Amino acid sequence: GAVVSQHPSRVICKSGTSVKIECRSLDFQATTMFWYRQFPKQSLMLMATSNEGSKATYEQGVEKDKFLINHASLTLSTLTVTSAHPEDSSFYICSAPWRGAGAFFGQGTRLTVV
Amino acid sequence: DAKTTQPPSMDCAEGRAANLPCNHSTISGNEYVYWYRQIHSQGPQYIIHGLKNNETNEMASLIITEDRKSSTLILPHATLRDTAVYYCIVRSTETSGSRLTFGEGTQLTVNP
Repeated sequence: GAVVSQHPSRVICKSGTSVKIECRSLDFQATTMFWYRQFPKQSLMLMATSNEGSKATYEQGVEKDKFLINHASLTLSTLTVTSAHPEDSSFYICSAPWRGAGAFFGQGTRLTVV
Repeated sequence: DAKTTQPPSMDCAEGRAANLPCNHSTISGNEYVYWYRQIHSQGPQYIIHGLKNNETNEMASLIITEDRKSSTLILPHATLRDTAVYYCIVRSTETSGSRLTFGEGTQLTVNP
């Protein structure tokens, strides 16, 4: 069945550095992917919509220059957290829409900025 | 998309049925009810969805009231691995491309 693979599952980085998270759709193409962020004991909050071949659409309050999204192919979207700070530490999750199931989700990436 | 209301937490004994309610009183005619669950530190997992008829698959059953203002997700024989946060989401289309908006969900704890 359709699967979304997210990598890495866990990353620790130093404050001020950048981190790239990959989200791949396996066995299906995704012209749109979604990126969520989840803080402890909270629900998923949509950050941005990634569109293949065009600019991403960001939710209100999400800094587009800080969270760079690239959707260069029909199976890959990347989220780069630039100049990461401790407050960016969170659980990042991607998803790809899939008819019938609504969406398939990646495994999530636990980002810790120290 | 219509707003949903779920109890923040529920407990269930292992082996018993878990019935998770969801209110969606403002649902419109073309909106589907989706259920997902999120086990700790994992991405959400699709469970089931429906429009107005009751649905059943290998994971669960979905009962939607006739007026469609509420629904119940039923896990017939809950196991410890079913401990998770369960999200009820109402969405305007079954086709791909539209976003999913998550509420607070219900933390289901299955006890031995």
